[in-house]
Amino acid sequence: DARVTQTPRHKVTEMGQEVTMRCQPILGHNTVFWYRQTMMQGLELLAYFRNRAPLDDSGMPKDRFSAEMPDATLATLKIQPSEPRDSAVYFCASKGGSADTGELFFGEGSRLTVL
Amino acid sequence: QKEVEQDPGPLSVPEGAIVSLNCTYSNSAFQYFMWYRQYSRKGPELLMYTYSSGNKEDGRFTAQVDKSSKYISLFIRDSQPSDSATYLCAMRTQGGSEKLVFGKGTKLTVNP
Repeated sequence: DARVTQTPRHKVTEMGQEVTMRCQPILGHNTVFWYRQTMMQGLELLAYFRNRAPLDDSGMPKDRFSAEMPDATLATLKIQPSEPRDSAVYFCASKGGSADTGELFFGEGSRLTVL
Repeated sequence: QKEVEQDPGPLSVPEGAIVSLNCTYSNSAFQYFMWYRQYSRKGPELLMYTYSSGNKEDGRFTAQVDKSSKYISLFIRDSQPSDSATYLCAMRTQGGSEKLVFGKGTKLTVNP
C-alpha cells in the first residue's frame, strides 16, 4: 500500500538542539513538499522539490532550516538550532508527475516540541 | 490579508444535517480548487477537486466554485459521525508553481 513515510513521528528536544526529520515519498513520485502546521498559521509550505531539485524554499527560515533530497527515496528537513517557536507538526507530501488533479499525498507528520 | 481565508469553527451538527463549509480567496490566478479532510493526528487526504468554476458532486459531497466572488464551498449531505474531521480548502494557480495554498481548516463534529 503506497504511502509517504515520515520519521520520527514525535520528537521532544531542548532549545538549541539539532532536529532532523526524514521523509520517504511514494515510489515514483517526483515532487516532494515540506509543510508545517500550527494552530495559529495552519498549513504553510516550507519548501518543495521536483526531481530532487529545490524549486521553492521561500517559506523556510534560511538561517536555521535546511531541506535536501539526497536521493529520490529520501527527503530531509533539518533545524539547527531549534527554538520553541519551531514547535509544530511537520508534514511531508509527494505527488506524481501526471497532469491530473495533482493530488498531494501526505505522510502522518512529525510532531516536534522544542522546550 | 492571507491569500485564503477559512472560518476555523468549530462546527458541531447533529447526524443527518447538511453541512456547509466555505473559503474565500484573494488571488484571482487560482484555477485549481480542492478540499482536503484531516482526521485527528493524521495527514490531510484529498476529498474533492475542481478545476475553474462550477459544481462537482461525489456521493454526499458537493464542491462549488464561484470565481467571480472568489468563494468556494463544500456541502455535505446526510452528515455522519465518521465525517467528523478538519476540512481544509486548498488552491493553486495553473502552470508554473505547484505550490498549494491551504486555508486554516474548519473543525467539524457530527454528533450521533
